[in-house]
Amino acid sequence: NAGVTQTPKFRILKIGQSMTLQCTQDMNHNYMYWYRQDPGMGLKLIYYSVGAGITDKGEVPNGYNVSRSTTEDFPLRLELAAPSQTSVYFCASSGFSNQPQHFGDGTRLSIL
Amino acid sequence: GESVGLHLPTLSVQEGDNSIINCAYSNSASDYFIWYKQESGKGPQFIIDIRSNMDKRQGQRVTVLLNKTVKHLSLQIAATQPGDSAVYFCAEKAQGGSEKLVFGKGTKLTVNP
Repeated sequence: NAGVTQTPKFRILKIGQSMTLQCTQDMNHNYMYWYRQDPGMGLKLIYYSVGAGITDKGEVPNGYNVSRSTTEDFPLRLELAAPSQTSVYFCASSGFSNQPQHFGDGTRLSIL
Repeated sequence: GESVGLHLPTLSVQEGDNSIINCAYSNSASDYFIWYKQESGKGPQFIIDIRSNMDKRQGQRVTVLLNKTVKHLSLQIAATQPGDSAVYFCAEKAQGGSEKLVFGKGTKLTVNP
């Protein structure tokens, strides 16, 4: 049982480039989330989805976009990469609200 | 406003001792609390959760205590082992609507053999 899978694990981007961070889960969870974690800090919610076709902004959505066309996949898009977006990005999923979120192992993104 | 913080950024204990990691929260509307363990290079791993209608919940070697009067949450780890060394985060979620889980900054637990 793979759980939550994130790709790539590492990436270096130049300022202004774009990329998509992939996230897929095989637990048939309705809820999916994207967080960023800066060094020495807790996680901050970027976007979340309560089901296919539904997305909502979290605490720090600026500079990012998401889509949820299937239950399994929840990609995160950076359109114009900026140095402030250097961080570790975690995807998570849960079956319902107020249930534990299961996390992937993260994508470490550096923007130079 | 909503914020979750930790009293101590680091905690060092001897193997076999009990560990207590503390967390303060400010949103009295929060009704769900959760503890995560994060090892280096890994994503957060669920440890235990508690809802606001409870004061205490026990798992395997872990206990979470919730004091709503003073908005305080703690994680107790019994017979701490070297494998427990990690960063521990508490998180809270407010009642109604938003799915935002607010994380604290984390406490780094080091277990000395």
